[in-house]
Amino acid sequence: NAGVTQTPKFRILKIGQSMTLQCTQDMNHNYMYWYRQDPGMGLKLIYYSVGAGITDKGEVPNGYNVSRSTTEDFPLRLELAAPSQTSVYFCASSQPGQGAHGYTFGSGTRLTVV
Amino acid sequence: QQPVQSPQAVILREGEDAVINCSSSKALYSVHWYRQKHGEAPVFLMILLKGGEQKGHEKISASFNEKKQQSSLYLTASQLSYSGTYFCGTERTDYKLSFGAGTTVTVRA
Repeated sequence: NAGVTQTPKFRILKIGQSMTLQCTQDMNHNYMYWYRQDPGMGLKLIYYSVGAGITDKGEVPNGYNVSRSTTEDFPLRLELAAPSQTSVYFCASSQPGQGAHGYTFGSGTRLTVV
Repeated sequence: QQPVQSPQAVILREGEDAVINCSSSKALYSVHWYRQKHGEAPVFLMILLKGGEQKGHEKISASFNEKKQQSSLYLTASQLSYSGTYFCGTERTDYKLSFGAGTTVTVRA
């Protein structure tokens, strides 16, 4: 199994540009999450989804949007990129109720806004 | 609300022990522990549910005191491979994790 796949791995954006970070999981997990991690810091929840068609805001949703049209895919959209969005973005998935339901994380997208 | 982890960093020699603490001001349903190596994604170590159970992963174990809303991670007889940043994630009843700021563990030969 591939687990959680994120693309791209690296990206440099200019201020005001937009982009979509892709996230796909093949574990049939209902729950998916987007976190950002700033240098030396913990992870902050941006958005999450409990199933196809259902999304909700986390702690730091401003400047981002998400959609969940299928169980597998959970893309994160950045509109009008700002330097404050320079960070490493992690997508994760989980399936609560199936024993030890830890999160499986993707390998991350390192984004720099200049 | 994010949990508080302590210490921020610890340096160990191989074979030494360490304890990492995680506390929350809110009632918790579970506590997760993850380890992140530099430049990599966090990797799930273990989950502790309400009930004060203790779990283990290799020579790493953890406990959860639900009355105090505290969890501790125990690194026993540390190995070089234990180096990394350890995060606790606390979960209430909505399957969303709030992560602590992390504890950086450096194990030296």
